[in-house]
Amino acid sequence: AQKVTQAQTEISVVEKEDVTLDCVYETRDTTYYLFWYKQPPSGELVFLIRRNSFDEQNEISGRYSWNFQKSTSSFNFTITASQVVDSAVYFCALAHVNSGGGADGLTFGKGTHLIIQP
Amino acid sequence: SQTIHQWPATLVQPVGSPLSLECTVEGTSNPNLYWYRQAAGRGLQLLFYSVGIGQISSEVPQNLSASRPQDRQFILSSKKLLLSDSGFYLCACNRDSREKLFFGSGTQLSVL
Repeated sequence: AQKVTQAQTEISVVEKEDVTLDCVYETRDTTYYLFWYKQPPSGELVFLIRRNSFDEQNEISGRYSWNFQKSTSSFNFTITASQVVDSAVYFCALAHVNSGGGADGLTFGKGTHLIIQP
Repeated sequence: SQTIHQWPATLVQPVGSPLSLECTVEGTSNPNLYWYRQAAGRGLQLLFYSVGIGQISSEVPQNLSASRPQDRQFILSSKKLLLSDSGFYLCACNRDSREKLFFGSGTQLSVL
């Protein structure tokens, strides 16, 4: 069975601070995908990143960066110089890759509510 | 790119009433389709997914059902709603199940 844990229910920081959202996952699979999604107040989910379990290189996209540590089963997300527009609920997710090469849908964490105060 | 139309945006239904939420996809053919639910204070839970017309897989046993009558149409239904069915329902799709999901704008369902 798969499980994704986002231990931080809510984080509140002042604008321009750096903030890291934690994600720890459990899976018996050797091949899997990890995702981060952003859910702004409007409710829609916005895709941020997908990471293949074979690729442990960290990735940076503007103010966003992701730290994938397979040894600790973690896929943490850092926002540098946070802005008020970053306020949202952020979800980490894990996709099981089945024997046919496809995935059976994403398992999501419970989300972290990030509040950026001006 | 793919566009997902999901309606209604909000819905208030009494306990025991039926439910039908519809989701249609544009911009792609033969997509994988998914229904997710986000209950208050909880994460996203996969309810159903479909890899083709008439092919439905259920992840969680419940009083909900899903159908895919057309390639780009995915319907979530219930014959009798329960209070516990309240939540935010999201339709999603992708072309390859390993690829990122595209989400609809969601339906906020309140069962009273």
